[in-house]
Amino acid sequence: GQNIDQPTEMTATEGAIVQINCTYQTSGFNGLFWYQQHAGEAPTFLSYNVLDGLEEKGRFSSFLSRSKGYSYLLLKELQMKDSASYLCAVKGDGGATNKLIFGTGTLLAVQP
Amino acid sequence: DAGVIQSPRHEVTEMGQEVTLRCKPISGHDYLFWYRQTMMRGLELLIYFNNNVPIDDSGMPEDRFSAKMPNASFSTLKIQPSEPRDSAVYFCASSVAGSAYEQYFGPGTRLTVT
Repeated sequence: GQNIDQPTEMTATEGAIVQINCTYQTSGFNGLFWYQQHAGEAPTFLSYNVLDGLEEKGRFSSFLSRSKGYSYLLLKELQMKDSASYLCAVKGDGGATNKLIFGTGTLLAVQP
Repeated sequence: DAGVIQSPRHEVTEMGQEVTLRCKPISGHDYLFWYRQTMMRGLELLIYFNNNVPIDDSGMPEDRFSAKMPNASFSTLKIQPSEPRDSAVYFCASSVAGSAYEQYFGPGTRLTVT
């Protein structure tokens, strides 16, 4: 079966660092994506990991461990505009390499 | 680039009516995806196309839902007859071929069935 787990909600303080975890169990794996979705808007791409390790992009970093079925998104120097839902998604399902399976998302609230 | 275009942005209809949602993918993209998003179930893949051909429709909830892609620049998702439980935001997304490439989402259609 396909299963992607993320915390439902998190709260953090402006200027701080927050880590959003994602664990997955899928029948195939061709990469893991993180998307950001502000309320009432469409998801937008943040990061992609296919090999183990850390990918850094400005204030955002994403980590992957394929053997553990685990990823996290790290947000540094939090800003109020980072308040959004963060979606973890796994690509690949028995060879259907362009199909994404999404988690239900983590709603992050950044407080002053 | 204009991005993925969806219409209408909002649709309110009565139970039993036919609803048609429209999508124009980004030019040059080989894949088109239809998703449904609700608070309870999150973002669910309904169906996706590759080069206008439906590849996986296992997420289509039932026969009331149908999708077509008559050409590379247009796709429709139809619900007939609509029911209140179909109320959700429907997103269309497109991407180029290759596992490393992200999907680009349209703004979505918010459907309310009363």
